[in-house]
Amino acid sequence: EAGVVQSPRYKIIEKKQPVAFWCNPISGHNTLYWYRQNLGQGPELLIRYENEEAVDDSQLPKDRFSAERLKGVDSTLKIQPAELGDSAVYLCASSLDREGLNEQFFGPGTRLTVL
Amino acid sequence: GESVGLHLPTLSVQEGDNSIINCAYSNSASDYFIWYKQESGKGPQFIIDIRSNMDKRQGQRVTVLLNKTVKHLSLQIAATQPGDSAVYFCAERQAGTALIFGKGTTLSVSS
Repeated sequence: EAGVVQSPRYKIIEKKQPVAFWCNPISGHNTLYWYRQNLGQGPELLIRYENEEAVDDSQLPKDRFSAERLKGVDSTLKIQPAELGDSAVYLCASSLDREGLNEQFFGPGTRLTVL
Repeated sequence: GESVGLHLPTLSVQEGDNSIINCAYSNSASDYFIWYKQESGKGPQFIIDIRSNMDKRQGQRVTVLLNKTVKHLSLQIAATQPGDSAVYFCAERQAGTALIFGKGTTLSVSS
């Protein structure tokens, strides 16, 4: 079974430039998550989708970050414009929620460096 | 085996030793807990989970212990192998909310 796919794996941009990350979750998983992981820290949730609906985006900096999950399958996370502090690994995860449990499967992440 | 009473950012053990990684969680209303392993350049990988109505759960070479009285979670790895070297995170979840990850512990296993 294919895991969560993310692209690109690495991205280097200058500050003030836009950047986009793409995620394809595991087939059949209804819930999709975007996390940001700073160096030496655990992942922090940015946004959670159930199917195509964003059910938790309270931690998403909406002035510069946006996300979409059209058709309830793959998803795109965008930053415009990027700032130096946005340098981090952006992780996508998916889960098939059932019986109150939601084992999340993570992709390899996109490492963003903002210069 | 090696163990830590409080969370420490690193733990070094010899191959074959038992390892114990500790985690203090923050929310007494959390009902679900997971341990993840993260290797360099990869996303976190599920190891084992436990619900709040349990205090112990065993997997293959791993055991998770939950002490709700002191809000403490631990991961025990038996016969630690070099392939176990990674960063380990605990995560907690309150029903209907997102996972909250704790601080990671870097486990280094030497041969």
